[in-house]
Amino acid sequence: EAQVTQNPRYLITVTGKKLTVTCSQNMNHEYMSWYRQDPGLGLRQIYYSMNVEVTDKGDVPEGYKVSRKEKRNFPLILESPSPNQTSLYFCASSLTNDYEQYFGPGTRLTVT
Amino acid sequence: SQQGEEDPQALSIQEGENATMNCSYKTSINNLQWYRQNSGRGLVHLILIRSNEREKHSGRLRVTLDTSKKSSSLLITASRAADTASYFCATDVDTGNQFYFGTGTSLTVIP
Repeated sequence: EAQVTQNPRYLITVTGKKLTVTCSQNMNHEYMSWYRQDPGLGLRQIYYSMNVEVTDKGDVPEGYKVSRKEKRNFPLILESPSPNQTSLYFCASSLTNDYEQYFGPGTRLTVT
Repeated sequence: SQQGEEDPQALSIQEGENATMNCSYKTSINNLQWYRQNSGRGLVHLILIRSNEREKHSGRLRVTLDTSKKSSSLLITASRAADTASYFCATDVDTGNQFYFGTGTSLTVIP
């Protein structure tokens, strides 16, 4: 089954404790992306990747890191999480940025 | 900066009626996409319309694009209770590889 998976689905952590949210797709897509969704603000793109070893900042990259060492995986790293990063995070992938995106189920992160 | 803005923010209709929601954006685009989200779950792609297209249909969905007005509309005909969800437009600007989502329209279809 074609899908985008994210782990964990729920995470509660404390300020400053490094964490990684994994994202994996099995569709051989080139384009992958991370978004955060906050009430009243819609979805905002954090980082995206056009292909392996090619990543770029989206609208709200501050406080986040990503890597794309393999085509299927695109982890999101929060080196020192802060409460303002409490949000619902979505990973998405598409064949290229000219095609529809497939979204993962989301990761609800709470930073206390 | 928000590229897409949906209007209205919330819409409540009776089952069987049509629902129309609009999206406006700021800069030139390659394509515009509409997505649906059921309460806190992942987004599901509905339809993609490219900048050289004016109208597209998919089942009960009809999307129009007016690049001169930088706007798009999504029409859902003969709505059903299962259409209750939030609807988002997303634009792929022609000057880069980013996607911009709007803040969404919350649609409630009353049985």
